[in-house]
Amino acid sequence: TQLLEQSPQFLSIQEGENLTVYCNSSSVFSSLQWYRQEPGEGPVLLVTVVTGGEVKKLKRLTFQFGDARKDSSLHITAAQPGDTGLYLCAGAGEGAGSYQLTFGKGTKLSVIP
Amino acid sequence: NAGVTQTPKFQVLKTGQSMTLQCAQDMNHEYMSWYRQDPGMGLRLIHYSVGAGITDQGEVPNGYNVSRSTTEDFPLRLLSAAPSQTSVYFCASSYSNYRTGAFFGQGTRLTVV
Repeated sequence: TQLLEQSPQFLSIQEGENLTVYCNSSSVFSSLQWYRQEPGEGPVLLVTVVTGGEVKKLKRLTFQFGDARKDSSLHITAAQPGDTGLYLCAGAGEGAGSYQLTFGKGTKLSVIP
Repeated sequence: NAGVTQTPKFQVLKTGQSMTLQCAQDMNHEYMSWYRQDPGMGLRLIHYSVGAGITDQGEVPNGYNVSRSTTEDFPLRLLSAAPSQTSVYFCASSYSNYRTGAFFGQGTRLTVV
């Protein structure tokens, strides 16, 4: 069974601060994905990283896939109240493992104005 | 396009009752999955399908049945509801495999009393 450890579980910061969320595993994934979920809604895909060492940027969000494809991080620069939400990482296995996603438990982010 | 549509959005059941959660997608996606989301537990896979007529169990399949007679629909059946099945249920889909990410429905909040 593949596991994804996501940290921190909760994060409360002031507007304008930077933050990093981590997603770690002992397993290798064919891809790592980050989702954002608003209350009462389903998760929405933000980004997918597939190559070890890959870095992707989405405005103020920077996503990195570890060289060994076992971990990933999400960095937000100058957080804004609109960034508030639940952030989930998810990994797709290799081969038949890509038929399903393994999710971390999520990071609940609150950005205080 | 509607994407992934789940019905109903809310449901209250009595212990022992049965019901079907509906999931439909209009994106011609081969892969579909059901997850449950519980506080502190993240998203856990119940059942998944890689195409019409093909289903398999995920991490927490007990008490749930699925079938996939068409590409578009993937209903989840609760055979005899139990309070432990109180949760938020999400249906997800992907075109080929989950390596590129998933599209989620808005969820069904189920309470079993």
